Amino acid sequence: AQSVTQLGSHVSVSEGALVLLRCNYSSSVPPYLFWYVQYPNQGLQLLLKYTSAATLVKGINGFEAEFKKSETSFHLTKPSAHMSDAAEYFCAVTRGGTSYGKLTFGQGTILTVHP
Amino acid sequence: GAGVSQSPSNKVTEKGKDVELRCDPISGHTALYWYRQSLGQGLEFLIYFQGNSAPDKSGLPSDRFSAERTGGSVSTLTIQRTQQEDSAVYLCASSSDRYSNQPQHFGDGTRLSIL
Repeated sequence: AQSVTQLGSHVSVSEGALVLLRCNYSSSVPPYLFWYVQYPNQGLQLLLKYTSAATLVKGINGFEAEFKKSETSFHLTKPSAHMSDAAEYFCAVTRGGTSYGKLTFGQGTILTVHP
Repeated sequence: GAGVSQSPSNKVTEKGKDVELRCDPISGHTALYWYRQSLGQGLEFLIYFQGNSAPDKSGLPSDRFSAERTGGSVSTLTIQRTQQEDSAVYLCASSSDRYSNQPQHFGDGTRLSIL
């Protein structure tokens, strides 16, 4: 079984500051990992994914994440926060290999960006 | 191109009534997923369809919930005898194939409120 833990239900940063959203996973098999963003009253939008290629993954809107197997982590970062980054972020995991893509989500982290 | 479309966007109904939620996936996507997003439980998998294969119903919370997918395209999620704990946002997602490394594209959801 897979599970995801997002550390910090709320993160607040100043505009221009580093964004760091933490995600740790548990999986009995090599996982695939995803970060999604959700704006109010909208569905989830894919930011980036790790599917066993490069461990440093670059996504949309300047976000990136690094898969660290030794730490079972997949933290999301952005060097400089923008007001438009304010949203809720979800880390998700699926089984790797040829399994189908049932996603298991973390509890989400709400990012607030202050001017 | 068109994304995943869900209707209605909002539904308010009385306890005990039946409701039907609709999902129109991205054209050509063979895999379709339903998830539920609620304050207490976060994002939970409900059901998965892939082509003509038998669906994975392992996430449906009770036998009041059912879903079908006609012609490999549009899907409907039906909740019978609704209860207040069914209040949530129901999200539909589709992906290009069954494999877990493929990103899922989400609709904006149906916000269901049970009075």
